[in-house]
Formats: sequence, structure tokens, C-alpha cells
Amino acid sequence: GDSVTQMEGPVTLSEEACLTINCTYTATGYPSLFWYVQYPGEGLQLLLKATKADDKGSNKGFEATYRKETTSFHLEKGSVQVSDSAVYFCALRPSNTGNQFYFGTGTSLTVIP
Amino acid sequence: NAGVTQTPKFRILKIGQSMTLQCTQDMNHNYMYWYRQDPGMGLKLIYYSVGAGITDKGEVPNGYNVSRSTTEDFPLRLELAAPSQTSVYFCASSYPETRRNEQFFGPGTRLTVL
Repeated sequence: GDSVTQMEGPVTLSEEACLTINCTYTATGYPSLFWYVQYPGEGLQLLLKATKADDKGSNKGFEATYRKETTSFHLEKGSVQVSDSAVYFCALRPSNTGNQFYFGTGTSLTVIP
Repeated sequence: NAGVTQTPKFRILKIGQSMTLQCTQDMNHNYMYWYRQDPGMGLKLIYYSVGAGITDKGEVPNGYNVSRSTTEDFPLRLELAAPSQTSVYFCASSYPETRRNEQFFGPGTRLTVL
């Protein structure tokens, strides 16, 4: 079945360090891929998305490229800030039904000054 | 637009009590979802609905019930609360038309069953 596998955390980085959070997926066809962010005490918010192979989603300095050949959608940022401290979820929406989303287990990121 | 709203924000229940978690969206989305998030875990789908009058089970439906009498509202009912239902509950909604559309989440309800 469809699923998402996400890099386990927690991840602790110093401010201005580079960030990569790995995400790979299993799905038939051409799913849409998403990264959501959850700040402490809040609900999930969409960070970025990509809907077809080789698409790059970007927002707030974060980027992720939809790689069908490696079934991956890794989240990257060149220079993290303290305000980026949150939990990041990779998610997939299948191409066939669109009724359900599949979420990874989340990766907690803490950025220290 | 208020987006997706959930009430209450927090609740403590005793074992065996019942309660309803409310969810409302004002974006005219057909699709609505209920998830639970356990500490350190991802989201697990409890129930979802593709429109008024239509609901379906997700991954972890046992112990819960839902109804969808209007497009806007999607309440989640716990009939006999158990400690295993201690979790944070999120409601979400999305457009139905294409697979490109993301889900919009409410702020969550933190439920403790003692």
C-alpha cells in the first residue's frame, strides 16, 4: 500500500547550519507530495508541495524536489534559524483516489542559537 | 475565513465517559478528516468524509463514531472513553477536485482520559 518513510529525529542543529530531512515514499502512479510543519502547541501547516516528478516546492527558504527515480522528497534548508524549531511531516496524496493522505511519523527539529 | 475550527482545546475525561469533539470549516470543502496524534508519533486517520451524509473508516476507527449532516460540520464522538484514547485530535479538510490540493488543519483538541 501507499506509505511514507521519514528520517527519525530528533535533530538538533546550530543556527545557520544546513538542514536535510529525508523522506521516501511508496505509491503507485504519480502521487502528490507535501511537507507540513507543526509548531509547538499548534496544528499542522502546509510548508510546501510538489505534484509531479522533478517539481520543486519551496517556501520560507525550505526546498524539496520530487524525485520519482529515487521515490524521494527530501526537505532542505541552507541556513536554519531558531524560529524553524518544529516538527516536520512528510505526506503523500495518492494519485488514484485522493480521499486519504498518508503521513510520515514526523521529525523534530531544534535549532539552538 | 476562520478556516478549520475545533472545540474544545483541552478536555479531561474519566474512563467510561462520553464526549463529542466539534469540527467546523468555512471553506466549503467536501472532504473532511479526523486524525489522532500520539506522543512522538505521526498522524493516524480515524474517519473521513467525502461529503454530507457520507463517512468512512480510516486506520484506527474503533471506539469512535462520526456523522456528517452538513458540509461544514464533522463531529467526532467518543462513547466510552478509555485511557488508550488519550491523544491530540486534529480535524482537517480539503478540496476534492484534484490530487494537488493539500489538507487544512484545525488547531487540535488535547484529550486526556484518566
